[in-house]
Amino acid sequence: DTGVSQNPRHKITKRGQNVTFRCDPISEHNRLYWYRQTLGQGPEFLTYFQNEAQLEKSRLLSDRFSAERPKGSFSTLEIQRTEQGDSAMYLCASSLTRNVYEQYFGPGTRLTVT
Amino acid sequence: AQSVTQLDSQVPVFEEAPVELRCNYSSSVSVYLFWYVQYPNQGLQLLLKYLSGSTLVKGINGFEAEFNKSQTSFHLRKPSVHISDTAEYFCAVTDYGGSQGNLIFGKGTKLSVKP
Repeated sequence: DTGVSQNPRHKITKRGQNVTFRCDPISEHNRLYWYRQTLGQGPEFLTYFQNEAQLEKSRLLSDRFSAERPKGSFSTLEIQRTEQGDSAMYLCASSLTRNVYEQYFGPGTRLTVT
Repeated sequence: AQSVTQLDSQVPVFEEAPVELRCNYSSSVSVYLFWYVQYPNQGLQLLLKYLSGSTLVKGINGFEAEFNKSQTSFHLRKPSVHISDTAEYFCAVTDYGGSQGNLIFGKGTKLSVKP
């Protein structure tokens, strides 16, 4: 068990560019969550997957955001046409379906949009 | 909809002193409650959770929290803190019995333990 990993750890991009982040959950975990954390705030839920199915999306997830988990293992979060307001820490968490209240978080990807 | 209020954004305390980090929640339904800790440059780690049963919940690193339904609170306590407890602490809530598991977090409390 190597824990939840996220890549890259830091990303600096110019406004208008597209970015993609990757999350590798704990191997036997079939639930995967994405959260966003802005400066001075707690994490905010974005979306979650049960295996490869995306089951819920927050209204925070505008149409510029898309998340996938194609084989029910790793997940990607893409932001198109980035805006300065997208600057945040993007956190991934995973859990077992039978224990969704024990979520394991990755270290996050810090996005800075200049 | 649920919400969480962490009443103190920063709590400075001396080493070996007791500490209480306050958390109040608002919900129209029954809830599950959590405390997470975030050390610098690391992800969140679950400290403890209240799902049911005893209202006094013990977690890792000597922390405990008490669920008070009438006051809608879930304050975190430790009788004697260490320098290594310096971190940011987040209170979180989710629907009782909900299958989604998506957590609603407070804004966090930065605990600073001084020697």
